[in-house]
Amino acid sequence: QSVLTQPPSVSAAPGQRVTISCSGSNSNIGNNFVSWYQQLPGTAPKLLIYDNTRRPSGIPDRFSGSKSGTSATLGITGLQTGDEADYYCGTWDSSLSGGVFGGGTKLTVL
Amino acid sequence: EVQLVESGGNLVQPGGSLRLSCAASGFTFSNYEMHWVRQAPGKGLEWVSYISNSGSTTYYADSVKGRFTISRDNAKNSLYLQMNSLRAEDTALYYCARVRGHSSRDVDVWGKGTAVTVSS
Repeated sequence: QSVLTQPPSVSAAPGQRVTISCSGSNSNIGNNFVSWYQQLPGTAPKLLIYDNTRRPSGIPDRFSGSKSGTSATLGITGLQTGDEADYYCGTWDSSLSGGVFGGGTKLTVL
Repeated sequence: EVQLVESGGNLVQPGGSLRLSCAASGFTFSNYEMHWVRQAPGKGLEWVSYISNSGSTTYYADSVKGRFTISRDNAKNSLYLQMNSLRAEDTALYYCARVRGHSSRDVDVWGKGTAVTVSS
C-alpha cells in the first residue's frame, strides 16, 4: 500500500485532456514539493514535473502540474499515443524521513 | 553526457548478500545527493535509500532498515548499496538516481537499473 494514492488507470482519446490525481497528507504533499515521472514500457522513469509545477527543459507544455493542500494533479493535454505510460507522483515525507511514491497510474490513449 | 550505470545485480539465495554499484559520469558527482529506488516485477516505484553529497547523512525505507547500507566514494564517482539478509520481497530492478533539488529531493537522472533476484 503506497503512502500516496493515485488512480490505477485513466484513459482518454487522442487529442483530449486527462488529469491524474495524487493524494497524500500533511507530512508529505502538504509540506513538500511534488514531482511527477513518466515511465514508458521497459524504460527507466523520466522526470516530467518538479517543484509542483515546473517542467524540466525538453518537456512539452502539454504536461502541467498543480498542488493544493495535500493533493497534487498532473494534467496532460493534446494526448498522443506516445503518452501511453505509467505515471508516478513522488515527494519527501518529513515524518518518515524518506521518499514516497504513488502506486502509479497507467494511461491508455484509446 | 550525464550518465548513471548500475551493476552488481544477480540471483542470490534468501539470507544472502549483494553489493550494488553505480558509476556516475558527465557531472560533478560530489555535488549531488543520490537515491536508490527499486521496482519489483510488474509493480510500482519504491524508494529505498538516500545519501547526502558528502555521505554524512543517510536515510532508509523501513523495509530495508538494518539490512541495507548506502555509501559513496566521491573520488571514484561511485554510489553503492550493500544488501544483507536478502528476502524474496527484495527481488526488483534497482535504480541509481540523482537528486535534482535538495529541498525536494526529486530525481532528474535515472540509471537503467540492475536486476536483483532473491530465490532458492
